[in-house]
Amino acid sequence: DTGVSQNPRHKITKRGQNVTFRCDPISEHNRLYWYRQTLGQGPEFLTYFQNEAQLEKSRLLSDRFSAERPKGSFSTLEIQRTEQGDSAMYLCASTRDTGELFFGEGSRLTVL
Amino acid sequence: AQSVTQLDSHVSVSEGTPVLLRCNYSSSYSPSLFWYVQHPNKGLQLLLKYTSAATLVKGINGFEAEFKKSETSFHLTKPSAHMSDAAEYFCVVSPLSGGYNKLIFGAGTRLAVHP
Repeated sequence: DTGVSQNPRHKITKRGQNVTFRCDPISEHNRLYWYRQTLGQGPEFLTYFQNEAQLEKSRLLSDRFSAERPKGSFSTLEIQRTEQGDSAMYLCASTRDTGELFFGEGSRLTVL
Repeated sequence: AQSVTQLDSHVSVSEGTPVLLRCNYSSSYSPSLFWYVQHPNKGLQLLLKYTSAATLVKGINGFEAEFKKSETSFHLTKPSAHMSDAAEYFCVVSPLSGGYNKLIFGAGTRLAVHP
């Protein structure tokens, strides 16, 4: 499968725990995006990378959230001290330059 | 600032009848507009895009959309619904003319298709 891959697909955690999601973009895609989608809403932009550089962060991304793309390939999104309001689907997308965004199937987070 | 408003949260049609999903946009300059579809447990898929070329845009699976600047609308249509069209549809605007950077999504319209 050469699409965008996200892991884990589902994560249930207790409030206060840390979680990490991984995204493997399509090979040779230099741009990688993270979005968050809550129930009944459209996805909202969180952050994006060009190669290993994080170029923009939404104000939705509180200081409990951190994203990395250390070698310009896969990316991780970590949420520290999770809160119930963090429950959402976290979507990753990749593209080459400003071409079409290809989305993964998402990682669903449930915070109890 | 750019935004999109999807005028219907739910639309229900019979198989074989036309589909109309409505979207209005707000943009301070000529936007790029898209429609994405999301099937259950599947990733978002691009249906079609408008990037200031032809105002009538044809997409995959028989869908099309017409850009109307005077009405600031970008409604999605299909002449005949199929059961497999049942999904969530998102109207999307990009602040980067001609590109896909930092997409801004509407709240979505859930399309139900019944026999």
